Amino acid sequence: GEDVEQSLFLSVREGDSSVINCTYTDSSSTYLYWYKQEPGAGLQLLTYIFSNMDMKQDQRLTVLLNKKDKHLSLRIADTQTGDSAIYFCAEKEGGKLIFGQGTELSVKP
Amino acid sequence: DADVTQTPRNRITKTGKRIMLECSQTKGHDRMYWYRQDPGLGLRLIYYSFDVKDINKGEISDGYSVSRQAQAKFSLSLESAIPNQTALYFCATSDLRGATTGELFFGEGSRLTVL
Repeated sequence: GEDVEQSLFLSVREGDSSVINCTYTDSSSTYLYWYKQEPGAGLQLLTYIFSNMDMKQDQRLTVLLNKKDKHLSLRIADTQTGDSAIYFCAEKEGGKLIFGQGTELSVKP
Repeated sequence: DADVTQTPRNRITKTGKRIMLECSQTKGHDRMYWYRQDPGLGLRLIYYSFDVKDINKGEISDGYSVSRQAQAKFSLSLESAIPNQTALYFCATSDLRGATTGELFFGEGSRLTVL
């Protein structure tokens, strides 16, 4: 099967930028996604990017896609304590989503 | 009320017992999924169903079975639970648009502990 890889932890200070990285293996993926899981809750779609795009910006969020290296990143500007959560990268395969391990973002005041 | 409801939210059981986790949705979506979440492993797909008559195995279906009783209901069964099935289980739904954009709507999870 296809693999989606993420580092498990990231710690930043409030107000700094956070960058969460992800690598994937399926070069035919048409969409790549970032989901957010807050403590005690299910996952919610944060943003997604179509494979023919290099970048997508949505307020404090910037998604960068490097198809050559199969690398996806999520940048959160001006990180707040409310951004503390687990962030999952996912790729689409045959109508279903394959998730990475999740990166736990800890934001310190 | 939640659009995707899972019951029970927490369950502790013993090895060898049969367990059923239930999922119901009010979103009118055709597609339903069961995932399990383990620390450091992320979410792994157990089973999925694209409509009432369609059931498909995911990457870790061994030891599990499912039933799609209606468009709105999708249950996951562990016929004989074992300790390594201790995990947080999530039900999710999507519609045709979600099949394109990848938007899944998740329940709040069912935490299962097998002793």
